Amino acid sequence: ETVLTQSPGTLSVSPGETATLSCRASQSVDTKLAWYQQKPGQAPRLLIHGASTRATGVPARFSGYGSGTEFTLIISSLQSEDSAVYYCHQSKHWPPITFGQGTRLEIK
Amino acid sequence: QVQLVESGGGVVQPGRSLRLSCAAAGFSFSSYALHWVRQAPGKGLEWIGLISYDGNNKYYADSVRGRFTISRDNSKDMVYLQMDSLRPEDTAVYYCSRGDPATHTVSDFWGQGALVTVSS
Repeated sequence: ETVLTQSPGTLSVSPGETATLSCRASQSVDTKLAWYQQKPGQAPRLLIHGASTRATGVPARFSGYGSGTEFTLIISSLQSEDSAVYYCHQSKHWPPITFGQGTRLEIK
Repeated sequence: QVQLVESGGGVVQPGRSLRLSCAAAGFSFSSYALHWVRQAPGKGLEWIGLISYDGNNKYYADSVRGRFTISRDNSKDMVYLQMDSLRPEDTAVYYCSRGDPATHTVSDFWGQGALVTVSS
């Protein structure tokens, strides 16, 4: 099973600043890495797939980078609505498809 | 627009069974793989399984293989999750999601979830 480790566990950033979230895979997943946003009481929402391709309707403030085992989600010009838990997800080696444990982003 | 609506959640005793349903609308259902993903209270996301567009291929997580069964009815735009021999650790919100058209393995749209509580 491919384990995804996200860091940090919690991130607190001021509005207007930039947040950098990391995801490390236990083995190479090429670019089969996605990012999801989940707000309290809501279903997850796909943000990024293929490591760097924004899903339909996702603002350009969200950017994904990386390949192999190291991936980054960068959210620029942070807004209060970006407060959420962010999960990475790999579908290179499956089953099982696996998720990271999540990074909680707090907007100060 | 794409819609996925889960139903059938509730409270069930350990060892009993429950079936969740997921009604789809707004897309060509029979062309897409469907996933089930669960989230225990206060925890992260856990992939449960996938059923191919035609129902001929099914894949499961080890934690549910042999106890849970995914099926679909393309004539009704419905996907199901039959859960047998339920355990307290199966308590979670269960989401159905659509597999993306390119790889089938990325969940591009999700339902709102159904809560299943396994407790005596």
